[in-house]
Amino acid sequence: EIVMTQSPDTLSVSPGERATLSCRASQSVRSNLAWYQQKPGQAPRLLIYDASTRATGIPARFSGSGSGTEFTLTISSLQSEDFALYYCQQYNDWPFTFGPGTKVDIK
Amino acid sequence: EVQLVESGGGLVQPGGSLRLSCAASGLTLSGNWMHWVRQAPGKGLVWVSRINSGGSNTNYADSVKGRFTISRDNAKNTLYLQMNSLRAEDTAVYYCARNLDIWGQGTMVTVSS
Repeated sequence: EIVMTQSPDTLSVSPGERATLSCRASQSVRSNLAWYQQKPGQAPRLLIYDASTRATGIPARFSGSGSGTEFTLTISSLQSEDFALYYCQQYNDWPFTFGPGTKVDIK
Repeated sequence: EVQLVESGGGLVQPGGSLRLSCAASGLTLSGNWMHWVRQAPGKGLVWVSRINSGGSNTNYADSVKGRFTISRDNAKNTLYLQMNSLRAEDTAVYYCARNLDIWGQGTMVTVSS
């Protein structure tokens, strides 16, 4: 099973600032990597797939990069609605696996 | 409105069974992989099972293999998860998802005596 790790556990950011979240895979997942946002009591929301492609309706302030084992999600200018939990997930090999998440909270 | 709606969750005793359903409206499930993902209270996301568009190919997490069965009825635009021999550690919100992009709001399963 591919193990996904994320850093940091928590990221404290002021509104309008840039946030950079990292995700690492225990072995190569090529570009088969997605990012999700989850708010309390809600289902995950797909932000990015194929490592760098924004999902339908996702604002341009969200961007993804990386391939192989190292990935990054960048939120260029945090809005109030962006404070949430973010998960990366690989879908290169079954079982698909998620990282433990990075919480982005208000500084 | 495009949505997936899960149902069938509830409280069940250890060793019991439940059947979850995921009904689609405003979208078609046929031609798409469908998935079940769960999230224990206060914990992260775990992929449970997936099924291909025709229903001929299924995969399961090791933790549920032999106990859970995923199926689909494309004519009814519905996905299912039959859960048998339930354990306390199966307690979670269960989400269905179409590919990666469309998720239901989840149904809670509680396994407790």
